[in-house]
Amino acid sequence: SQTIHQWPATLVQPVGSPLSLECTVEGTSNPNLYWYRQAAGRGLQLLFYSIGIDQISSEVPQNLSASRPQDRQFILSSKKLLLSDSGFYLCAWSQFSNTEAFFGQGTRLTVV
Amino acid sequence: QKEVEQDPGPLSVPEGAIVSLNCTYSNSAFQYFMWYRQYSRKGPELLMYTYSSGNKEDGRFTAQVDKSSKYISLFIRDSQPSDSATYLCAMSQNTGGFKTIFGAGTRLFVKA
Repeated sequence: SQTIHQWPATLVQPVGSPLSLECTVEGTSNPNLYWYRQAAGRGLQLLFYSIGIDQISSEVPQNLSASRPQDRQFILSSKKLLLSDSGFYLCAWSQFSNTEAFFGQGTRLTVV
Repeated sequence: QKEVEQDPGPLSVPEGAIVSLNCTYSNSAFQYFMWYRQYSRKGPELLMYTYSSGNKEDGRFTAQVDKSSKYISLFIRDSQPSDSATYLCAMSQNTGGFKTIFGAGTRLFVKA
């Protein structure tokens, strides 16, 4: 069966520090991968999606970037965090663009 | 106007009650409709997905889609305290995929 791992679960970082969140998927190959941010009362906002290695599409211009160095690895990064980057970040995968998505457990990021 | 509207609640019901959760949407091109359940500090998990109009039942859960009214519902029968969670509706022109739009989520509390 397929599983998705996302870490860390919680993170507190100072303003201006870098960020690296990692997500890996097991049990499948060539998945579509996604990074979402969830703000309280505002639903899930799609940040990035990837259909293959080094193929990243950005949905919202912002202080974040994503990379996919391996087929089942998706990384969310920032060079300098802002207070507004605080939130709950979720990685997800789907087998194809027209199949349902499955989510990781999320990372609670607090920028102080 | 948001593409997907969902009452954030909270909705509080006694154990054993029938729960009705709803979303409205504005994009008539949506064809696939999903419900996710999210426990506190966890990632969303897929509960139900339906295509076009009609009903789908899975145990105590029934998903209903009325495309003519642009209205979807999730019914929970014999609600349990373990059903206490946030329920997010989601919809897309393809299931999952890049352009899935999520509702803000409804917080449900089932009291023992």
